[in-house]
Amino acid sequence: ETGVTQSPTHLIKTRGQQVTLRCSSQSGHNTVSWYQQALGQGPQFIFQYYREEENGRGNFPPRFSGLQFPNYSSELNVNALELDDSALYLCASSLGGRPYFGPGTRLLVL
Amino acid sequence: EDQVTQSPEALRLQEGESSSLNCSYTVSGLRGLFWYRQDPGKGPEFLFTLYSAGEEKEKERLKATLTKKESFLHITAPKPEDSATYLCAVRANMDSNYQLIWGAGTKLIIKP
Repeated sequence: ETGVTQSPTHLIKTRGQQVTLRCSSQSGHNTVSWYQQALGQGPQFIFQYYREEENGRGNFPPRFSGLQFPNYSSELNVNALELDDSALYLCASSLGGRPYFGPGTRLLVL
Repeated sequence: EDQVTQSPEALRLQEGESSSLNCSYTVSGLRGLFWYRQDPGKGPEFLFTLYSAGEEKEKERLKATLTKKESFLHITAPKPEDSATYLCAVRANMDSNYQLIWGAGTKLIIKP
């Protein structure tokens, strides 16, 4: 157990809809990062938040956005869903060292 | 361009048959190489972090080593419960981005 939880575990949406995924970090971890993992591939970095501010972003469009809250929880929001957004979304928290991953949210876009 | 390549893509072994997984990397200033294990539909589980060439770390049947260009994950006398996808990731020396750059993984299957 890493102490990182994510909700929901599974989600089905249709193209064009919006989705919010949630993550609860390990207590005291001030850094949270989000990754997208397509089937059979390694995770791709979406962005990272440190003390509630975004401080790093991968090659993802602006329709991917996030928030980090003072209670160590965070959100990933995706607008105008596309079929290619279907993937496992992973949240990871850290305190300057190695990331601790949650179990992920499996998103299917139809 | 920073890049991580893992080989082989898949590996089938008999229980007890030792082998190695490879992770080759090209990064501008390595700030850590990470090995994770991932079971189907679950998040990656941390195994090791290596920081400098020559460093080695062990945990049960696993041993990770690091050179300036690649890392190996050696599996000694594996058991069926070692079956999983093994992922390698690197953190590069980039000022404004803290991402981990991942390989595609090696799917390991241990047959009883």
